[in-house]
Amino acid sequence: EVQLVESGGDLVQPGGSLRLSCAASGFTFSGHWMSWVRQAPGKGLEWVASIEEDGTEKYYVDSVKGRFTITRDNAKNSLYLQINSLRAEDTAVYYCARRNDFQNWFDAWGQGTLITVSS
Amino acid sequence: DIVMTQSPDSLAVSLGERAAINCKSSQSILYSSNNKNYLAWYQRKPGQPPKLLIYWASTRESGVPDRFSGSGSGTDFTLTISSLQAEDVAVYYCQQFYTTPTFGQGTKVEIK
Repeated sequence: EVQLVESGGDLVQPGGSLRLSCAASGFTFSGHWMSWVRQAPGKGLEWVASIEEDGTEKYYVDSVKGRFTITRDNAKNSLYLQINSLRAEDTAVYYCARRNDFQNWFDAWGQGTLITVSS
Repeated sequence: DIVMTQSPDSLAVSLGERAAINCKSSQSILYSSNNKNYLAWYQRKPGQPPKLLIYWASTRESGVPDRFSGSGSGTDFTLTISSLQAEDVAVYYCQQFYTTPTFGQGTKVEIK
């Protein structure tokens, strides 16, 4: 069974930093693109970042470029999101999601981890 | 970015009746070289993460009941639940993957 378990969400002050983790199991992690998708309170889903199987290609939504960094450790079956210079608008549940083998839809999701940015 | 707009924002349907959710993209998401529409649908039940229902606009994901169907092409798409069940109460999202992924704002389906 595919499992994705996020951790690392917290209450953080504006300008702070945080590192999210996603532990994957039940599939060949190194064989899949992986992504982060977020949902702010009362808002819709927003794709945040994606990373290629070997970690060389990475893509970000414009609003997080330069502040967020997606990485992975295939030996540990883990995905990460380093978030710097946090803003109030980054408040959201962050989901780890597995991208389909061939295209940019998401066929497995974690339960999510909440980041709240507030002073 | 391609903007996805869903309608209605919410709808209430009686058990056993048909529910239809519309999704419109700001530009065509039909790729001419393979004649495929780059659209997916998800279901998000309260307290749960999104679940993939449909991709390529009309292909059901494995295990999804056949009362769920997707249709449309180009810029206009529809998710239909042919006979609404109590367990279908959820928010439904469309997503385009023609370019960097973007989602619709969601449609909340409730029981009338």
